[in-house]
Amino acid sequence: ELKVEQNPLFLSMQEGKNYTIYCNYSTTSDRLYWYRQDPGKSLESLFVLLSNGAVKQEGRLMASLDTKARLSTLHITAAVHDLSATYFCAVGFGNEKLTFGTGTRLTIIP
Amino acid sequence: EAQVTQNPRYLITVTGKKLTVTCSQNMNHEYMSWYRQDPGLGLRQIYYSMNVEVTDKGDVPEGYKVSRKEKRNFPLILESPSPNQTSLYFCASSLSQGIYGYTFGSGTRLTVV
Repeated sequence: ELKVEQNPLFLSMQEGKNYTIYCNYSTTSDRLYWYRQDPGKSLESLFVLLSNGAVKQEGRLMASLDTKARLSTLHITAAVHDLSATYFCAVGFGNEKLTFGTGTRLTIIP
Repeated sequence: EAQVTQNPRYLITVTGKKLTVTCSQNMNHEYMSWYRQDPGLGLRQIYYSMNVEVTDKGDVPEGYKVSRKEKRNFPLILESPSPNQTSLYFCASSLSQGIYGYTFGSGTRLTVV
C-alpha cells in the first residue's frame, strides 16, 4: 500500500523567511504533484514532476523530486501573506491511482 | 472555459435516501476520479475511471457506486447514505497518465443526518 507522508502538518512562518515542506512516499513512482487549497475552495495545481531530478519554479515556490530517495520538496522563498494556504503533495501510482499526503497548513505571519 | 463541474455544491440529506452527485468535464479527458476530503486525512480516492465503461476502486469505495456511460460524465451514487459519508467530495479529470496534472471540480459538501 502506497503511503505518502508530509511534514510538517502545520507551519507558521514570518513574512520574508524561507522554508521547506517535505513529502515522502513509500513506493516507486514517477509522478508527483503539488496542489494548493484555500479554505472552502478547490485544489489548484501548482507543479507536476515527472522525472528524477525534476525541478520547477513558479514565483516564490520551487518544487523538486528525488525518485531514488522517494522525496519531494516544496521550497518557499521570502514568504508573503498571500501564500497562506494548505499544500498537498500527491503521488501517482500504477493505472491512475493517486494518493495524497495529509496536507501542510501554512500560515504566513506579517 | 475548460472546467470540471460538480453539482450540487451543498447537500443535506437523511440516512438511507439515495443520492447522486454529478460531475462533468468539457476537456475530453479520458481519466476521471472521485475523492473525499476529511479533516486530518487529506484526500482519499473513492473510484476512478480510465475511459468510458472502465472503472476501478480507489482506496475507500465502500458505500459508493459510479458509472461512466459517456466520456464527459462521471456521477457518484450513494445508494444508502450513512452519517460516516458526511464529507467534502471532489471530482477530478486528466488526460491519460496525468502528465499534465489533474483538474478538480469545486467540491460538494455532503451532510448525512
